[in-house]
Amino acid sequence: GQSLEQPSEVTAVEGAIVQINCTYQTSGFYGLSWYQQHDGGAPTFLSYNALDGLEETGRFSSFLSRSDSYGYLLLQELQMKDSASYFCAVRANQGGKLIFGQGTELSVKP
Amino acid sequence: DVKVTQSSRYLVKRTGEKVFLECVQDMDHENMFWYRQDPGLGLRLIYFSYDVKMKEKGDIPEGYSVSREKKERFSLILESASTNQTSMYLCASRTGVTGELFFGEGSRLTVL
Repeated sequence: GQSLEQPSEVTAVEGAIVQINCTYQTSGFYGLSWYQQHDGGAPTFLSYNALDGLEETGRFSSFLSRSDSYGYLLLQELQMKDSASYFCAVRANQGGKLIFGQGTELSVKP
Repeated sequence: DVKVTQSSRYLVKRTGEKVFLECVQDMDHENMFWYRQDPGLGLRLIYFSYDVKMKEKGDIPEGYSVSREKKERFSLILESASTNQTSMYLCASRTGVTGELFFGEGSRLTVL
């Protein structure tokens, strides 16, 4: 089977740093993506890691360790607008099949 | 801007009806996807298509079929709708295999 595990909920305060972890067990692995979804909206792309290491894009960073089947999304200088659900997703084959985790609901408090 | 358009935002159907969900993208993307999203279960892949007339089953294809006759259009078909298919259905498209997915606004289907 295939599974991606992430925490269901995370709460943090404005200005803080939060890390959302994702562990995966899939039949194939070609890369890890992160998506953000606000209530009532469509998911939007945040990042993609195909190789080990840290990728930084503004306040958001994403990390991948293929040997540990693990990645995380790091959000810095949290803002209220960051309250949303965050999904990790694995590219599971060469054809680009994309499997999503169950999502982490992030609540940012004042 | 990339636009992925799903034909209906809200549908109400009866058990046993045949249901068509249409998705059109305007950026000449090769890959198109259908997911369903349910609370606590995330996005689950139903089918995806990597080219015209090419398709691959996702994790939950049972009870669904798809059609990709033209590059820009990917249809999801429920041959005989059941109440457990009540859900939010999301279509997405992408160019290449590593590019970002662009999602439509979703179609919320209720089967009575």
